[in-house]
Amino acid sequence: DTAVSQTPKYLVTQMGNDKSIKCEQNLGHDTMYWYKQDSKKFLKIMFSYNNKELIINETVPNRFSPKSPDKAHLNLHINSLELGDSAVYFCASSRSWTGANEQFFGPGTRLTVL
Amino acid sequence: KNEVEQSPQNLTAQEGEFITINCSYSVGISALHWLQQHPGGGIVSLFMLSSGKKKHGRLIATINIQEKHSSLHITASHPRDSAVYICAVNNNDMRFGAGTRLTVKP
Repeated sequence: DTAVSQTPKYLVTQMGNDKSIKCEQNLGHDTMYWYKQDSKKFLKIMFSYNNKELIINETVPNRFSPKSPDKAHLNLHINSLELGDSAVYFCASSRSWTGANEQFFGPGTRLTVL
Repeated sequence: KNEVEQSPQNLTAQEGEFITINCSYSVGISALHWLQQHPGGGIVSLFMLSSGKKKHGRLIATINIQEKHSSLHITASHPRDSAVYICAVNNNDMRFGAGTRLTVKP
Protein backbone atom coordinates (compact mmCIF):
# COMPACT_ATOMS: atom_id res chain seq x y z
CA ASP A 1 0.00 0.00 0.00
CA THR A 2 2.75 2.43 -0.96
CA ALA A 3 1.47 6.00 -0.85
CA VAL A 4 3.90 7.49 -3.38
CA SER A 5 5.75 5.09 -5.66
CA GLN A 6 8.45 5.70 -8.22
CA THR A 7 9.95 3.51 -10.89
CA PRO A 8 12.64 2.65 -11.48
CA LYS A 9 14.55 2.84 -8.21
CA TYR A 10 17.89 2.82 -10.01
CA LEU A 11 18.66 3.98 -13.51
CA VAL A 12 22.10 3.75 -15.14
CA THR A 13 22.41 5.06 -18.65
CA GLN A 14 24.79 6.59 -21.17
CA MET A 15 25.15 10.27 -21.98
CA GLY A 16 22.84 11.36 -24.75
CA ASN A 17 20.11 8.83 -24.03
CA ASP A 18 16.49 9.66 -23.26
CA LYS A 19 14.91 8.19 -20.13
CA SER A 20 11.71 8.45 -18.10
CA ILE A 21 10.91 8.14 -14.41
CA LYS A 22 7.35 7.36 -13.37
CA CYS A 23 5.55 8.47 -10.23
CA GLU A 24 2.16 7.49 -8.88
CA GLN A 25 0.34 8.45 -5.68
CA ASN A 26 -2.70 6.71 -4.23
CA LEU A 27 -3.48 9.35 -1.60
CA GLY A 28 -6.04 11.25 -3.63
CA HIS A 29 -3.83 14.36 -3.52
CA ASP A 30 -4.23 17.19 -5.98
CA THR A 31 -0.60 18.31 -6.12
CA MET A 32 2.55 16.47 -7.16
CA TYR A 33 6.18 17.52 -7.28
CA TRP A 34 9.55 16.54 -8.67
CA TYR A 35 12.66 17.30 -6.64
CA LYS A 36 16.32 16.79 -7.47
CA GLN A 37 18.84 15.90 -4.76
CA ASP A 38 22.41 16.50 -5.81
CA SER A 39 25.58 14.78 -4.64
CA LYS A 40 25.76 17.11 -1.64
CA LYS A 41 22.27 15.95 -0.61
CA PHE A 42 20.74 19.37 -1.31
CA LEU A 43 17.10 19.15 -2.38
CA LYS A 44 15.67 21.53 -4.96
CA ILE A 45 12.25 21.73 -6.46
CA MET A 46 12.00 21.17 -10.20
CA PHE A 47 8.29 21.08 -11.02
CA SER A 48 4.94 21.20 -9.34
CA TYR A 49 1.61 20.14 -10.84
CA ASN A 50 -1.84 20.79 -9.43
CA ASN A 51 -4.70 18.79 -10.92
CA LYS A 52 -2.60 17.97 -13.99
CA GLU A 53 -1.63 21.60 -14.57
CA LEU A 54 1.89 22.93 -14.27
CA ILE A 55 2.14 25.54 -11.52
CA ILE A 56 5.85 25.67 -10.75
CA ASN A 57 8.69 25.30 -13.19
CA GLU A 58 11.98 26.24 -11.63
CA THR A 59 15.04 26.96 -13.71
CA VAL A 60 15.27 23.52 -15.22
CA PRO A 61 16.70 22.80 -18.67
CA ASN A 62 13.98 22.14 -21.23
CA ARG A 63 15.48 18.67 -21.70
CA PHE A 64 13.34 17.84 -18.67
CA SER A 65 9.67 17.50 -19.50
CA PRO A 66 7.12 16.50 -16.88
CA LYS A 67 3.86 14.91 -17.94
CA SER A 68 0.76 14.43 -15.81
CA PRO A 69 -1.80 12.17 -17.53
CA ASP A 70 -4.04 12.41 -14.45
CA LYS A 71 -3.69 13.85 -10.99
CA ALA A 72 -2.40 10.56 -9.57
CA HIS A 73 0.56 10.40 -11.93
CA LEU A 74 3.47 12.71 -12.66
CA ASN A 75 6.16 11.34 -14.92
CA LEU A 76 9.50 12.92 -15.72
CA HIS A 77 11.06 12.53 -19.14
CA ILE A 78 14.66 13.56 -19.69
CA ASN A 79 16.13 14.01 -23.16
CA SER A 80 19.80 13.97 -24.13
CA LEU A 81 21.04 13.02 -20.69
CA GLU A 82 24.18 14.76 -19.42
CA LEU A 83 26.68 13.80 -16.72
CA GLY A 84 25.35 16.60 -14.51
CA ASP A 85 21.91 15.02 -14.49
CA SER A 86 23.23 12.30 -12.19
CA ALA A 87 21.32 12.72 -8.94
CA VAL A 88 18.50 11.25 -6.91
CA TYR A 89 15.08 12.38 -8.10
CA PHE A 90 12.21 12.41 -5.63
CA CYS A 91 8.55 12.60 -6.43
CA ALA A 92 6.17 13.90 -3.75
CA SER A 93 2.53 14.77 -3.33
CA SER A 94 0.39 16.96 -1.09
CA ARG A 95 -3.31 17.55 -0.63
CA SER A 96 -3.15 20.93 -2.35
CA TRP A 97 -0.52 23.49 -3.27
CA THR A 98 -1.87 26.43 -1.31
CA GLY A 99 -1.33 26.90 2.37
CA ALA A 100 0.38 24.47 4.67
CA ASN A 101 0.34 20.91 3.40
CA GLU A 102 2.34 17.91 4.49
CA GLN A 103 4.28 16.37 1.66
CA PHE A 104 4.64 12.65 1.12
CA PHE A 105 7.77 11.54 -0.68
CA GLY A 106 8.44 8.64 -2.96
CA PRO A 107 11.48 6.41 -2.36
CA GLY A 108 13.59 8.23 -4.93
CA THR A 109 15.18 7.24 -8.22
CA ARG A 110 18.95 7.23 -8.35
CA LEU A 111 19.99 8.26 -11.86
CA THR A 112 23.58 7.68 -12.94
CA VAL A 113 24.69 9.02 -16.30
CA LEU A 114 27.94 7.52 -17.59
CA LYS B 1 22.79 32.98 0.87
CA ASN B 2 20.27 30.16 1.12
CA GLU B 3 16.77 31.15 2.19
CA VAL B 4 16.84 28.31 4.73
CA GLU B 5 19.90 27.88 6.92
CA GLN B 6 20.46 24.93 9.21
CA SER B 7 23.00 24.36 11.94
CA PRO B 8 24.98 22.44 12.68
CA GLN B 9 25.90 20.82 9.38
CA ASN B 10 27.15 17.69 11.14
CA LEU B 11 26.47 16.47 14.64
CA THR B 12 27.85 13.48 16.51
CA ALA B 13 26.33 12.50 19.83
CA GLN B 14 26.50 9.70 22.34
CA GLU B 15 23.44 7.56 22.88
CA GLY B 16 21.14 9.17 25.43
CA GLU B 17 22.18 12.77 24.72
CA PHE B 18 19.72 15.57 24.09
CA ILE B 19 20.02 16.83 20.51
CA THR B 20 19.07 20.22 19.08
CA ILE B 21 19.09 21.14 15.40
CA ASN B 22 18.37 24.72 14.40
CA CYS B 23 16.76 26.24 11.33
CA SER B 24 16.50 29.90 10.33
CA TYR B 25 14.69 31.20 7.29
CA SER B 26 14.46 34.53 5.56
CA VAL B 27 11.17 34.34 3.63
CA GLY B 28 7.51 34.49 4.55
CA ILE B 29 6.10 31.05 5.05
CA SER B 30 2.81 29.24 5.45
CA ALA B 31 4.48 26.31 7.23
CA LEU B 32 7.82 24.83 8.19
CA HIS B 33 8.62 21.15 7.78
CA TRP B 34 11.13 18.88 9.42
CA LEU B 35 12.08 15.88 7.29
CA GLN B 36 14.21 12.85 8.05
CA GLN B 37 16.32 11.08 5.45
CA HIS B 38 17.80 7.75 6.47
CA PRO B 39 20.97 6.30 4.96
CA GLY B 40 18.77 4.18 2.68
CA GLY B 41 17.66 7.44 1.08
CA GLY B 42 13.92 7.63 1.80
CA ILE B 43 12.48 10.92 3.06
CA VAL B 44 9.90 11.00 5.81
CA SER B 45 7.96 14.00 7.04
CA LEU B 46 8.39 14.37 10.81
CA PHE B 47 6.56 17.61 11.53
CA MET B 48 4.69 20.41 9.84
CA LEU B 49 4.49 23.56 11.93
CA SER B 50 2.97 26.98 11.48
CA SER B 51 3.16 28.06 15.13
CA GLY B 52 4.10 26.89 18.61
CA LYS B 53 5.33 23.42 19.36
CA LYS B 54 4.64 19.82 18.39
CA LYS B 55 5.75 16.58 20.03
CA HIS B 56 5.89 13.07 18.67
CA GLY B 57 7.52 10.48 20.87
CA ARG B 58 11.06 11.62 21.61
CA LEU B 59 10.93 14.34 18.97
CA ILE B 60 9.90 17.93 19.66
CA ALA B 61 9.69 20.73 17.11
CA THR B 62 9.25 24.40 17.93
CA ILE B 63 8.85 27.47 15.78
CA ASN B 64 9.10 31.19 16.48
CA ILE B 65 7.42 33.00 13.59
CA GLN B 66 8.59 36.46 14.68
CA GLU B 67 12.22 35.36 14.83
CA LYS B 68 11.90 33.11 11.75
CA HIS B 69 13.51 30.27 13.62
CA SER B 70 12.70 26.65 14.36
CA SER B 71 14.37 23.94 16.40
CA LEU B 72 14.13 20.17 16.31
CA HIS B 73 14.94 18.41 19.56
CA ILE B 74 15.56 14.72 20.12
CA THR B 75 15.46 13.50 23.70
CA ALA B 76 17.29 10.34 24.81
CA SER B 77 18.92 9.94 21.41
CA HIS B 78 19.47 6.46 20.01
CA PRO B 79 21.70 5.12 17.21
CA ARG B 80 18.57 4.54 15.10
CA ASP B 81 18.07 8.34 15.11
CA SER B 82 21.17 8.61 12.91
CA ALA B 83 19.98 10.27 9.72
CA VAL B 84 20.00 13.56 7.85
CA TYR B 85 17.43 16.01 9.20
CA ILE B 86 16.18 18.57 6.72
CA CYS B 87 14.32 21.78 7.43
CA ALA B 88 12.03 23.05 4.65
CA VAL B 89 9.65 25.98 4.35
CA ASN B 90 6.45 26.35 2.36
CA ASN B 91 6.39 29.59 0.42
CA ASN B 92 4.25 28.73 -2.61
CA ASP B 93 6.84 26.03 -3.13
CA MET B 94 9.22 24.18 -0.83
CA ARG B 95 12.64 25.60 -0.02
CA PHE B 96 15.07 23.29 1.72
CA GLY B 97 17.94 23.68 4.11
CA ALA B 98 21.16 21.82 3.38
CA GLY B 99 20.42 19.25 6.07
CA THR B 100 22.07 18.23 9.34
CA ARG B 101 23.80 14.87 9.38
CA LEU B 102 23.28 13.33 12.83
CA THR B 103 25.29 10.34 14.01
CA VAL B 104 24.41 8.84 17.37
CA LYS B 105 27.04 6.47 18.74
CA PRO B 106 26.20 3.63 21.13
